[in-house]
Amino acid sequence: GAVVSQHPSWVICKSGTSVKIECRSLDFQATTMFWYRQFPKQSLMLMATSNEGSKATYEQGVEKDKFLINHASLTLSTLTVTSAHPEDSSFYICSAAGESSGANVLTFGAGSRLTVL
Amino acid sequence: SQQGEEDPQALSIQEGENATMNCSYKTSINNLQWYRQNSGRGLVHLILIRSNEREKHSGRLRVTLDTSKKSSSLLITASRAADTASYFCATDYDFGTGTRLQVFP
Repeated sequence: GAVVSQHPSWVICKSGTSVKIECRSLDFQATTMFWYRQFPKQSLMLMATSNEGSKATYEQGVEKDKFLINHASLTLSTLTVTSAHPEDSSFYICSAAGESSGANVLTFGAGSRLTVL
Repeated sequence: SQQGEEDPQALSIQEGENATMNCSYKTSINNLQWYRQNSGRGLVHLILIRSNEREKHSGRLRVTLDTSKKSSSLLITASRAADTASYFCATDYDFGTGTRLQVFP
């Protein structure tokens, strides 16, 4: 079945540094990928929709300059948290839209836990 | 935006009991999916039900879909402690708020 790899799984960084998270679809092409943020004991919050070859579409309240998204190929989207601060600490999850048994499903990465000191 | 809403928000049961979670949505759909998430982990796709299906089974999971009421339910039978997780429904690209299920041994 469809597999999405997300890297890194865990990252700890100092305040002010930038962190890049990768999301790869391993065995299918994903023209659309999604980035979510999840706080403890809460649901996923969609941050942006990443479309291959075009600019990402950000949800209301998500800073474009803070969370840079690049979808340079059909199998890779990256999220860069720029000048990270402790309040950016969260669980970031990506998903890729693909087809399974003739229906569109979202396949999720395992998530990346960011801790900003 | 998130259009799916799960009910209840949290559920605690004993092992062996059945757990039922409900999901409501607002717009017409092509399919509805249920996902599971263990604490601090990624999501696992459990089951997909298409808009022209009313019921679907997978092991101990039973999903129903009522498009007239715009609602779906997930039933886990004979629950186990390992079923403890959060369960989300999703329509197209929207997610519900999730139900946190706790199964006590």
